[in-house]
Amino acid sequence: GAGVSQSPSNKVTEKGKDVELRCDPISGHTALYWYRQSLGQGLEFLIYFQGNSAPDKSGLPSDRFSAERTGGSVSTLTIQRTQQEDSAVYLCASSSPSLRTSGGAYNEQFFGPGTRLTVL
Amino acid sequence: ELKVEQNPLFLSMQEGKNYTIYCNYSTTSDRLYWYRQDPGKSLESLFVLLSNGAVKQEGRLMASLDTKARLSTLHITAAVHDLSATYFCAPRETSGSRLTFGEGTQLTVNP
Repeated sequence: GAGVSQSPSNKVTEKGKDVELRCDPISGHTALYWYRQSLGQGLEFLIYFQGNSAPDKSGLPSDRFSAERTGGSVSTLTIQRTQQEDSAVYLCASSSPSLRTSGGAYNEQFFGPGTRLTVL
Repeated sequence: ELKVEQNPLFLSMQEGKNYTIYCNYSTTSDRLYWYRQDPGKSLESLFVLLSNGAVKQEGRLMASLDTKARLSTLHITAAVHDLSATYFCAPRETSGSRLTFGEGTQLTVNP
């Protein structure tokens, strides 16, 4: 079955530009998470959505970062005025908090392939 | 704030040998995940450990959880080259939904 998809897979941008990263969760998964993975910081949590609301956005590193989710499905992570330290792989995950997913466990997070962001 | 320590961070072992990766965490967690990541790839879920004393096994990998000691282990039995990857543990805070990842253990299995 379809897993979590993310686009673009790679994004190269110039410092100061805005970027948008997209995540399509597994169909029926109500929870959606953004993480980022960088050499210096490892895997860091950014934001969590339950439906369209974000009860935990405490991991967003600055006000240049924002995310939204519409229709309880697709999510977009926006980074404004990108900086070189924003370079990382941005990973999206989704889960189903209340249902046992096929082959999975309650609230198991399934990850997408990631978007590799490079800020020049 | 939940802090997670994995050790070792780098592990080079020969095929056929056994070894254990350790994951310590600092505060109460209600479940713990183990993930595998191959170079340039995303995270693949290996195990979800839901309670104290939980033990899960898949092939040559076995994971366990001791919530009182705040410790999880990933044991590798008779390693094969295909197990070469980076392994992450990720406990979930009882009060929330986010996962906090360890630094990862980069495992290399040599023929």
